[in-house]
Amino acid sequence: DARVTQTPRHKVTEMGQEVTMRCQPILGHNTVFWYRQTMMQGLELLAYFRNRAPLDDSGMPKDRFSAEMPDATLATLKIQPSEPRDSAVYFCASGLVLGVSGNTIYFGEGSWLTVV
Amino acid sequence: QKEVEQDPGPLSVPEGAIVSLNCTYSNSAFQYFMWYRQYSRKGPELLMYTYSSGNKEDGRFTAQVDKSSKYISLFIRDSQPSDSATYLCAMTGGDTGRRALTFGSGTRLQVQP
Repeated sequence: DARVTQTPRHKVTEMGQEVTMRCQPILGHNTVFWYRQTMMQGLELLAYFRNRAPLDDSGMPKDRFSAEMPDATLATLKIQPSEPRDSAVYFCASGLVLGVSGNTIYFGEGSWLTVV
Repeated sequence: QKEVEQDPGPLSVPEGAIVSLNCTYSNSAFQYFMWYRQYSRKGPELLMYTYSSGNKEDGRFTAQVDKSSKYISLFIRDSQPSDSATYLCAMTGGDTGRRALTFGSGTRLQVQP
C-alpha cells in the first residue's frame, strides 16, 4: 500500500529553534507539494516541486522557510527560526503529473508542529 | 475574495439522509475538480475526481460540476456515521498553468446515528 510518509508526526519546540520536517513521496511520483493547514486559513500551498525542481514557493515566507528535494525520495521543509505563528499541521503530498493529465495528489498524515 | 468558497458548516444530518456539499469558484480556467475527505487528525484522502463538467458516480457518492455556474457539488446517499469528517473541494488548471491544487476551506459533516 503506497503512501506518503512524513516525519516527525508531532513536534513541540521553543520559539527561535530550527525545525526540519521530512517527507518520502510515493515511489514514482514526480511532483511533491508542501501544504500548511490551520483552522483560520485552511490548506495553504507553501511550495511544490516537479522532478525535484522547485516550481512555486510563492506561498512560503522566504525569510524563515526553505524547501528542498535532495533526491527523488526525500523532500524537506525547514523553518529557522521558528515562531509561535508557525504552529500548524504541515502536509506533504505527492502525485504523478504527466502533461495535461494526472492532477490527483495523495497526502501524508501530516507533521503537527507547536511552537511555544 | 478567495478563489474557492466553501461553507464551513458544521452540517449535522441523521443517518440515512442525503447530504449535499458545495463549492463555488471564481477562476474559469479550473478544469480538474476533486473532493477530499479528512478525518480528525488525519491527512486528506482523495474521494472523487472529475474533469470538466458533468457527473461522476462512485457507490454512494456523486460529484457534479457545472462550469457555467462555477459550482461543484458532492452528494452522499444513505449517509453513515462513518461519513462524519471534513470534506474539502479542490481544483486546478488555473491560468498560471500551475498544477497545484487550490482548496476550499472544508465543510465539517456530522452524521448522527
